[in-house]
Amino acid sequence: ILNVEQSPQSLHVQEGDSTNFTCSFPSSNFYALHWYRWETAKSPEALFVMTLNGDEKKKGRISATLNTKEGYSYLYIKGSQPEDSATYLCAFRGGGADGLTFGKGTHLIIQP
Amino acid sequence: EAGVAQSPRYKIIEKRQSVAFWCNPISGHATLYWYQQILGQGPKLLIQFQNNGVVDDSQLPKDRFSAERLKGVDSTLKIQPAKLEDSAVYLCASSSRPPRSGPRDIQYFGAGTRLSVL
Repeated sequence: ILNVEQSPQSLHVQEGDSTNFTCSFPSSNFYALHWYRWETAKSPEALFVMTLNGDEKKKGRISATLNTKEGYSYLYIKGSQPEDSATYLCAFRGGGADGLTFGKGTHLIIQP
Repeated sequence: EAGVAQSPRYKIIEKRQSVAFWCNPISGHATLYWYQQILGQGPKLLIQFQNNGVVDDSQLPKDRFSAERLKGVDSTLKIQPAKLEDSAVYLCASSSRPPRSGPRDIQYFGAGTRLSVL
């Protein structure tokens, strides 16, 4: 059974502050690491697909880093806005499989 | 481009009843997935189709769950009979690449069906 852990489980951040959270995953048989944003009553939205050790991806105020050797990824949000409130899911894809193994998510609430 | 469509959005049933969920993937996407997300957990893969064939159903509880994708387009997931522990959000996803494709393949998700079993 693959173990994908996310921390913290939930996070309250003041509008305008920056924040980050963590995803840890198996360091063996790594193929890809996905980040999704899931707003209530909407579809999970793909943010990043990361494949190479040392990868850094950026999309607006959101960025992510990847360390496959130690099995972790960080997601950063700079200057949080109320529309960033959502659950952020990371998902591990191992070699030889297509299905994603998800963490439990980090529930982010931005307080005005 | 239209996204992944799922219906119904919500369903409430009593235990031992049957229920079915429908998914229409993005046009042209050959690979389709069903995931189950129980409250407080991450989504868990139930079954993966490539066109109308099953690629992976290792985590599908086959005594009560079944799924089909007869014409290789839309798909139905059925639970018969439902148990209390089946209460969850059922997510459908699709991708354009074949199985065992490159690592950058993105799965596009629908908004899910929220099932409550009473």
